[in-house]
Amino acid sequence: DSGVTQTPKHLITATGQRVTLRCSPRSGDLSVYWYQQSLDQGLQFLIQYYNGEERAKGNILERFSAQQFPDLHSELNLSSLELGDSALYFCARLGLAKGEQYFGPGTRLTVT
Amino acid sequence: AQSVTQLDSHVSVSEGTPVLLRCNYSSSYSPSLFWYVQHPNKGLQLLLKYTSAATLVKGINGFEAEFKKSETSFHLTKPSAHMSDAAEYFCVIYGNNRLAFGKGNQVVVIP
Repeated sequence: DSGVTQTPKHLITATGQRVTLRCSPRSGDLSVYWYQQSLDQGLQFLIQYYNGEERAKGNILERFSAQQFPDLHSELNLSSLELGDSALYFCARLGLAKGEQYFGPGTRLTVT
Repeated sequence: AQSVTQLDSHVSVSEGTPVLLRCNYSSSYSPSLFWYVQHPNKGLQLLLKYTSAATLVKGINGFEAEFKKSETSFHLTKPSAHMSDAAEYFCVIYGNNRLAFGKGNQVVVIP
């Protein structure tokens, strides 16, 4: 058990639509990371939040945004969806060692 | 920026024979390195980690990796492959508040 919950597990939607992916780390975990895994780009870092504030930003499109709420759960919002946005989206929490991260089971997004 | 390179995108091994997955890293300072495994239709599981302690690191399921600074390498090994080792393996480096992943090694275990 990674200690990270992600919902939904699967999401199928049409081009142009907007979806929200949810991540809940363990109680008390201040950091949350989002990653995208696609056939074209492999696994890449999107964004990190720490205690409600954006801490680091990676290859995240302008159509994507994220936030972390006071209860420390996080949401990744994807809008104006394109076929190429179809991917697995992972959320991760920090472990004890420097850089160590534990990943949730992921949300598989399919855009048709 | 920190990065890792994994060669041999597909690796086939016979059950009971050794597994060797190669990873070379690039980093301007002492790196934190990891190997993750992803089984089909599953999430990412941490196999082992190097964070500047012992250079030979033991992980789960009989895997180990050796950090060699002179060769900028962090190769993953296992003495004897099992059918359950069939999966994709990622070498990963930490830097700038993020993990950077290699392209992965898809391991096939032949009975």
